[in-house]
Amino acid sequence: DTGVSQDPRHKITKRGQNVTFRCDPISEHNRLYWYRQTLGQGPEFLTYFQNEAQLEKSRLLSDRFSAERPKGSFSTLEIQRTEQGDSAMYLCASSFTGGDYEQYFGPGTRLTVT
Amino acid sequence: KQEVTQIPAALSVPEGENLVLNCSFTDSAIYNLQWFRQDPGKGLTSLLLIQSSQREQTSGRLNASLDKSSGRSTLYIAASQPGDSATYLCAVRNSGTYKYIFGTGTRLKVLA
Repeated sequence: DTGVSQDPRHKITKRGQNVTFRCDPISEHNRLYWYRQTLGQGPEFLTYFQNEAQLEKSRLLSDRFSAERPKGSFSTLEIQRTEQGDSAMYLCASSFTGGDYEQYFGPGTRLTVT
Repeated sequence: KQEVTQIPAALSVPEGENLVLNCSFTDSAIYNLQWFRQDPGKGLTSLLLIQSSQREQTSGRLNASLDKSSGRSTLYIAASQPGDSATYLCAVRNSGTYKYIFGTGTRLKVLA
C-alpha cells in the first residue's frame, strides 16, 4: 500500500468554474477527512466520512462545496462557482477505526483560482 | 469553542540541541491529540498520537506529553538534526466530535 493518494496534485482554474478533486485512502481505512490549508495556517476541517456516511461537516461545506464517498472507498470534493478565496491546499486524510484513529495524510491538491 | 495555539511560531536552533514545542488548547474535554510535521509544500506526517487517558507517548527522539487539566501538550525533540527542520503542528479532537482543530504550527529550523 502506497498510502493516501490525491488527484490532481495541482489545479489552476478560472473564477466561476467548477472543480472536482479525488482522494484514495489507504485500502483498509474506513475513516476519511477533508481539510483546507492556506499559507501559514494549520489545516481547517471540512468534512468527515465513516465508510460511505458523511457524519460531520463544517459550515464551510455548504452551498458551493460538496463531498461524496460512494461505496466507502474513494472520495470526491467538488467546489462549484470557484472564487479567488478558494485558492488553497486541499488535504485528504484517512484512518482506521480499529486502531488509535491516527490520521494519515495525502500529498494534497493545490488549487489556484485566477 | 476549542482553540489551539502553538508558541513559538518559529524557532531556530543549532544542531544537537534539545528543544520543546508547545501546544495549548482551551477546552480540556479532548478525545485525543496528535502531533504532525509538515515539510514545505507537502502533506502532513503523523508523529505521535496521545489519547486523553495517556500522559505521554514516545517515538525515537520524540516525546509528547499531555496535561489535560492545564490544556497543554509539549513535543520534546532530543538531539535535533537538520533533517528535523519542518513545521510542527498539533491537532486536537474533542469528545463527541470527529473534527480535528489544528494549531498554526511552529516552524523549526535546525542549523548544521
